[in-house]
Formats: sequence, structure tokens, C-alpha cells
Amino acid sequence: QVQLVQSGAEVKKPGASVKVSCKASGYTFTGHYMHWVRQAPGLGLEWMGWINANSGGTNYAQKFQGRVTMTRDTSISTAYMELTRLRSDDTAVYYCARVDAHSSGISFDYWGQGTLVTVSS
Amino acid sequence: QSVLTQPPSVSAAPGQKVTISCSGSSSNIGNNYVSWYQQLPGTAPKLVIYDNNKRPSGIPDRFSGSKSGTSATLGITGLQTGDEADYYCGTWDSSLSGVFGGGTKLTVL
Repeated sequence: QVQLVQSGAEVKKPGASVKVSCKASGYTFTGHYMHWVRQAPGLGLEWMGWINANSGGTNYAQKFQGRVTMTRDTSISTAYMELTRLRSDDTAVYYCARVDAHSSGISFDYWGQGTLVTVSS
Repeated sequence: QSVLTQPPSVSAAPGQKVTISCSGSSSNIGNNYVSWYQQLPGTAPKLVIYDNNKRPSGIPDRFSGSKSGTSATLGITGLQTGDEADYYCGTWDSSLSGVFGGGTKLTVL
């Protein structure tokens, strides 16, 4: 069965960086785009960007341009999201989400369990 | 401030029907497919509708979706207490970004 398993919770100081991993199993990793979505405490979903797991091509939300980098390692079916120059308002649960290959649009059929990143001095 | 607009909350009694609206513009909903996600407390979102009105395997036919112009609607019939959750609409935008609604909290009274 398809699974996306993310790395554990992180606590970072303002100005630091964080790198979250998302290990995929149960499907061909390079056959699907992977997106990253975050959710601040008590708030809604916010799209951050995607990576083409096959080519490594990326597209980031304008809000995160210059601070986010999405990469992947096909040998271990893992996607990564690194966010730099962390601020307190980056405190959120970060999700990886697989694009549904059956969809004509863009929808996310499997999600990781989420990784809580807390930014605090 | 979310790009897509949803009501903050809706409620209905068990067994009844509820609809959740999602309003956007021609740059997003008007020219792209809409998906809907259910998020139970403390869990990751779960896809319940994709391509405006299609249900993934395992989603009961009590869940339905529709789209007209720049708005979309999620419908849930035969409400159950287990349907209590936050619901989010999502789509693509002409700026090549994913966009979501602010979420709607469904309470089954």
C-alpha cells in the first residue's frame, strides 16, 4: 500500500534552517509529482511548491522563493523540503502530498503524516 | 487571507444533508478542476472529491461535488458523527500555484 512517512518533529531557532524528509513506498516514486503543503496552528492549508520526482524540476510558491528548496533522492524514494531563515510564523505542520495520477487536475491522493516544525528562541 | 472563500462553519443534524461552498475566480476555479479534502482533528487531510465531482475509491457516495463557473460545492448526505471535520477545497491557479480555501468546520449536531 502507498505510504508517505515523514521525519520527526523539529525545534529550531529563528534564522536557522530545517530539512524535512518524506519517504515513499508502495508505488513507483518517479511516477508522481510530490507537493509540500503546510498548516500553521489553528489555520488552513498553504501550498508551498512541488517537485517532479522523475526529473527533479521544481516550482515554488512566490511567498517562499529564495527560502525553500525541494529535492529528491530516487535511490531511496525520498523527497526533501528545506526551509531557510526560519521565522516564528514558519511554525507549522509540514506535509508532503502525492499528486493523484488519475486526476485530470491536481489533487493529492496520499499525504504524509505531517512534521511539526516549531520556531522559537 | 485564502485565495478561495469558504464559510467558516456549517452544521446539520445526523441524517441530514449539508453543502459547503467554495468561491474563487476565473484564474483558479473557473479554469481548473477542484478537489475537496476532509481533515479530522490531529490528522492529515484526506481526499474526498477530485476533478470537481469524482470520488476516490473508498469514499462513500454520500459525498458529492459540483462546479459551476467560479464556484464549487461539496455535498454530504446522510450525515454521521464521523463526518465532523474541517473541509478544504483546492485547485490550481493561473499563477502556477496551488490554492486552498480557508476551511469549513462541519459540526454534526
